[in-house]
Amino acid sequence: QQQVKQSPQSLIVQKGGISIINCAYENTAFDYFPWYQQFPGKGPALLIAIRPDVSEKKEGRFTISFNKSAKQFSLHIMDSQPGDSATYFCAANQFYFGTGTSLTVIP
Amino acid sequence: NAGVMQNPRHLVRRRGQEARLRCSPMKGHSHVYWYRQLPEEGLKFMVYLQKENIIDESGMPKERFSAEFPKEGPSILRIQQVVRGDSAAYFCASSPAGEEGLGYTFGSGTRLTVV
Repeated sequence: QQQVKQSPQSLIVQKGGISIINCAYENTAFDYFPWYQQFPGKGPALLIAIRPDVSEKKEGRFTISFNKSAKQFSLHIMDSQPGDSATYFCAANQFYFGTGTSLTVIP
Repeated sequence: NAGVMQNPRHLVRRRGQEARLRCSPMKGHSHVYWYRQLPEEGLKFMVYLQKENIIDESGMPKERFSAEFPKEGPSILRIQQVVRGDSAAYFCASSPAGEEGLGYTFGSGTRLTVV
């Protein structure tokens, strides 16, 4: 049973555009929701994380929006750049990961 | 300040052999987590260890897989009698004791190929 569902599987965005990746979770006991960025051949790197007591967290061009009642959260990448091309994973409590979104930003 | 070190980076084993994957956590980190990543899939949690203790092994297959984190030395993920389905990337992560999420760092992984 997939505890965290992530969409889309892949995403192509023009340089300067907004990339949006969505995740949904089942267990209301989850209390920590990180996003990871992974480049080929590397391990995931923590990008940004949120706890359910806030609805939004912003760090630079990266924003997490959190909807506790809907049990959903999303990652927004503003002004997307080719260097942002990577696979992005959402997670819950660090033990449950989404299946990943392959983001390609085209110049 | 070295990050989480995993070795080997690549490991090839024949069916039936044993695979040993090593993970040295970041300095000062006492918690280690192992994950498996299959092609085109996300990371699947396997086991969570502290020094000399297995805290949560709910993601570990019941047979052939074991993990340890001794008082001295790296954490070891051992896979006995490997099969083709064990081919995957295995990642470990470490964190300091305390609040979840702080300082959580992944290694670069070990890519296991079973031939």
